[in-house]
Amino acid sequence: QQPVQSPQAVILREGEDAVINCSSSKALYSVHWYRQKHGEAPVFLMILLKGGEQKGHEKISASFNEKKQQSSLYLTASQLSYSGTYFCGTKTSGTYKYIFGTGTRLKVLA
Amino acid sequence: NAGVTQTPKFQVLKTGQSMTLQCAQDMNHNSMYWYRQDPGMGLRLIYYSASEGTTDKGEVPNGYNVSRLNKREFSLRLESAAPSQTSVYFCASSGTGSNQPQHFGDGTRLSIL
Repeated sequence: QQPVQSPQAVILREGEDAVINCSSSKALYSVHWYRQKHGEAPVFLMILLKGGEQKGHEKISASFNEKKQQSSLYLTASQLSYSGTYFCGTKTSGTYKYIFGTGTRLKVLA
Repeated sequence: NAGVTQTPKFQVLKTGQSMTLQCAQDMNHNSMYWYRQDPGMGLRLIYYSASEGTTDKGEVPNGYNVSRLNKREFSLRLESAAPSQTSVYFCASSGTGSNQPQHFGDGTRLSIL
């Protein structure tokens, strides 16, 4: 079953902050975050491993709570270039099966 | 750097026709994946291959077959195309281990009339 992301969509003004959440019904051992621009392939942003917080970009960071089986992506002082759809991705434990979350559409307005 | 290469980039088929989507990676990755993405939707796993010689079903395998030809190449075949298979198809590869991200090809935009 796909991890569920919230919110489904968000609209921001430049400079505002946003949080995107990813929740799984199965145990998570690592979480990846990706951004997909319209008409393009997803691009890897960062990885979070069990027990750690990983900062991938200057103003984009993420956290991982393995007990709650949740990860959150934090975008601070958003820029127009942050617009796109964000996906979390994870491997099912014990397999090589890799699935993506339901996605969050983010639009940043000038 | 080529990365993951998919061919063709666009294709229009008639219902009932068959075709094979090709994917090749030059990053020496063991694992390869096929996803479909319907308009405005997320990525759904069709099939994956953990290593050369192995393939496994994903979430939506019905109507598709795959072949892991060698370590570099992983093809997806539609035996009898249906309009419900109209979608964008992405191939991805990754190294071994849970900390390895997916690297994507540019996608194949497939329309079935």
